[in-house]
Amino acid sequence: QVRLVQSGSELKKPGASVKISCKTSGYTFSQYSINWVRQAPGQGLEWMGWMSTTNGDPTFARNFTGRFIFSLDTSVTTAYLQINSLKPEDTAVYFCARYTDSSPYYFDHWGQGTLVTVSS
Amino acid sequence: SYELTQPPAVSVSPGQTAGITCFGDLLSKQFVYWYQQKPGQAPVLIIYKDSERPSGIPERFSGSSSGTTVTLTINAVQADDEADYYCQSGDITSTHQMFGGGTKLTVL
Repeated sequence: QVRLVQSGSELKKPGASVKISCKTSGYTFSQYSINWVRQAPGQGLEWMGWMSTTNGDPTFARNFTGRFIFSLDTSVTTAYLQINSLKPEDTAVYFCARYTDSSPYYFDHWGQGTLVTVSS
Repeated sequence: SYELTQPPAVSVSPGQTAGITCFGDLLSKQFVYWYQQKPGQAPVLIIYKDSERPSGIPERFSGSSSGTTVTLTINAVQADDEADYYCQSGDITSTHQMFGGGTKLTVL
C-alpha cells in the first residue's frame, strides 16, 4: 500500500538547519509529486510548495522562499525538506503529502508529520 | 491575495447534521477538497472534486458546491467525527494550493 514515512522529531537552536525526510513506498515514485505542508502549534494547515518527482523542479508558496529547500533522492524514493537559518517561528509540524498523478491536483496520501522545535 | 474562508467552529449534537462552509472567489472555477484532521494525526482526504468520496469514507460525508461557496455535510454525526476540517483548492493556474483556516467540529 502507499506509505509516506517521515523522519523523527527535531530540536534545533535558532540559526541552525534541519533536514526532514519523507520515505515513500508502494507506488512509482516518479509519477507523483511531493508537497510540503506546515502546521504551527494550534494553527491550521499551510501549503509550502511542491517538488516534481519527474524533473526535480520546485514550486514554493509565497511565504516559503529563500530559507526552504526541497530535494529528492530517487534511488531511495525519498523527498526532503531542508530549512536553513531556523527561527523560533519555524516551530511546527511539517507534513509531506503526495499529489495526485494528474490535474486537478490534491493530496491523496500524507506522511505522519515531523515536529521541528526551534528553541535556544 | 486569494483566501479560502471557513467558520472557525461548528457544534452539533450526536445524530444531527453538521454543515461546514468554505468560501473563495475562485471556487466557481476550481474544485474543492476536504480533509479531516484529528488531534496528533495527519489530515485525511474525505471529499475530492467538490463531492466525490474516496473509498473507505462513510456515506455520511458529502460535499456540494454553489457558486463561490462549497459545503461539507456530515449526516448523523457521531462522536468520532469530532475533528478539524480543512478545505483546499488551487489558484487559477492550479500551480499553487491553499487551505482554508479550518473548522473545529465539536460534537456536544
